[in-house]
Amino acid sequence: SQELEQSPQSLIVQEGKNLTINCTSSKTLYGLYWYKQKYGEGLIFLMMLQKGGEEKSHEKITAKLDEKKQQSSLHITASQPSHAGIYLCGADSGGSRLTFGEGTQLTVNP
Amino acid sequence: GAGVSQSPSNKVTEKGKDVELRCDPISGHTALYWYRQSLGQGLEFLIYFQGNSAPDKSGLPSDRFSAERTGGSVSTLTIQRTQQEDSAVYLCASSLWRRGLGETQYFGPGTRLLVL
Repeated sequence: SQELEQSPQSLIVQEGKNLTINCTSSKTLYGLYWYKQKYGEGLIFLMMLQKGGEEKSHEKITAKLDEKKQQSSLHITASQPSHAGIYLCGADSGGSRLTFGEGTQLTVNP
Repeated sequence: GAGVSQSPSNKVTEKGKDVELRCDPISGHTALYWYRQSLGQGLEFLIYFQGNSAPDKSGLPSDRFSAERTGGSVSTLTIQRTQQEDSAVYLCASSLWRRGLGETQYFGPGTRLLVL
């Protein structure tokens, strides 16, 4: 079965700093999703990547899928307290279900 | 438009009782999923419905868990004879579905279940 490993598990940064979260798969990724979750809330969809080398951006968040389609990174530029939360990567595991990483807990200090 | 809604938002029950959790998917979404998120286990798939096809129940942890989807829309997840290890956040998601192509799953806010 496919496994996703996220790093780091937690991250504390000062407001305004850039940061990167990584997601590594044990198998080739055919659809990689990034979600954000705040405590007590559901998952908020951020971006989906499918093609090797693909890169997408939304506001200050950029996600990339490497050429070999086994690793994705999420980069936040000039972080703000509103970026705080748990970031989860998820991958198509066949049959449309998603397999998720353990998540990265991001804290942004003002 | 309206997103995925779930009810109740919180549920506290006693061990051995049955509980029902409800999910209203986004209108027009034919695929519906249930996941469970618990401490130390991450987010795990439970069951998947697509149109009139037989559901994929392969993620259900035991026969105490069941789910149905009426009229291709609302879904109910039922846990019988609840155990303390059933305590978790139960998340529902829905998506459009096209054969052979991935579609983004949109999640509801979840139901936080606590079994005492």
